[in-house]
Parts: sequence; C-alpha cells; structure tokens
Amino acid sequence: GEDVEQSLFLSVREGDSSVINCTYTDSSSTYLYWYKQEPGAGLQLLTYIFSNMDMKQDQRLTVLLNKKDKHLSLRIADTQTGDSAIYFCAEKGAAGTALIFGKGTTLSVSS
Amino acid sequence: DAGVIQSPRHEVTEMGQEVTLRCKPISGHDYLFWYRQTMMRGLELLIYFNNNVPIDDSGMPEDRFSAKMPNASFSTLKIQPSEPRDSAVYFCASTPFGGTSTGELFFGEGSRLTVL
Repeated sequence: GEDVEQSLFLSVREGDSSVINCTYTDSSSTYLYWYKQEPGAGLQLLTYIFSNMDMKQDQRLTVLLNKKDKHLSLRIADTQTGDSAIYFCAEKGAAGTALIFGKGTTLSVSS
Repeated sequence: DAGVIQSPRHEVTEMGQEVTLRCKPISGHDYLFWYRQTMMRGLELLIYFNNNVPIDDSGMPEDRFSAKMPNASFSTLKIQPSEPRDSAVYFCASTPFGGTSTGELFFGEGSRLTVL
C-alpha cells in the first residue's frame, strides 16, 4: 500500500542548513509536497515538486527528488527560529485526489 | 478570501458523549477531506467527498464515526459514542477540481478533541 516515511525529529542551530528527508512508495505520484505546521495551527503548503523534475528551488528552500529511490528531501538554508515547526512530506495517492502524509518531522531551531 | 473554517476549535467531552465537528470548505472547492492527527499515527485520512458524495471512507476507524456533506458548503464528522482513544486533532481540508490544479489541499485550523 501507499506509505510515506520520514524521520521524526531534527535539531539545528540558527543559521545552519536543515535537511529533512522522506521516502514514499507510490511511483505513480504526479506531485510531491512539503507542508508546514506551526504550533496550534493547520497545515500550510510550503512547496511542491512535479514528478518530472529533479530539483526545485524557492528562496531558502530546495527540494530534491530522486524518483529511482523514491526519495524526497527539503533543504532549508540559513535556518531561523521561525522555521521551528512540523514538516510533512506528502504524495498524491494513485487512487486520485487524497494526499498521503508522513508522520511529520519536528524541526527545532536553537539560537 | 476565507479559508476552510472548522468548529469548534476545542472540545472537551466525557466518554460516551456524542461529538459533532463541523467544516465549511472554501467556496468553489469540489473536494472535502477529513483527517485525524495523533502523535502515534500522524495524519490519517478518514474520509473524503467529491461534489458532496463520499468517495472513500476506508479510513473511518469504526461504526462510531460518521460523516456527512449535506451541501457544498458544509460537512460534519460525528463520533457517537466517543471514547478516550478518539482524542486527537481533526482537520478538514478542501481542494478544487481541475486539470491544472496541483492537488494542493487547503487545511482548516483543526478541532482539538479531548475525551475524558
């Protein structure tokens, strides 16, 4: 079945780069997503990548996609304390519209 | 524009009581989803609707859970009777239908349920 796996915790110092990794199972996924959840709030789309791309850059964010290994990563450059949140990797399931989420990676940024 | 609106934001109830969570999707969005978030299981899809019709309810835990979408602007998730293991944050999300859509889901702020 469809499954998305990601590490649960990451701790970095302010100014460092953060890399959050994710593996997924559905090779037919057309889009893969990174969502951010701040404390007490809903999930907000951070960025996404189309499956025919290897990399996408958006300001401090870099998404890398390795389709062969079904591996997705999110790099945050110059990590700030405001980046502390839970980051979810998600794929669109083969059945259609619903997104399948990982359990989320809690990013803790210390100053 | 208003986002997805959920109510209540917080609910504390006793075991055995009925709980009703409400959601108003973004106007014009054809799909509506209910997810549940817990520490142990992360974000689980419970059910989703297309044009008010339930498409996939395979994630609904058991018969105590039911969801309805009587019209395009309103959905409910009901738990009867509630149990302590139902304690979680319940999210509603919506998305528009369309070939150019990236499939992004727009989430509400969530309803935090605590069953004592």
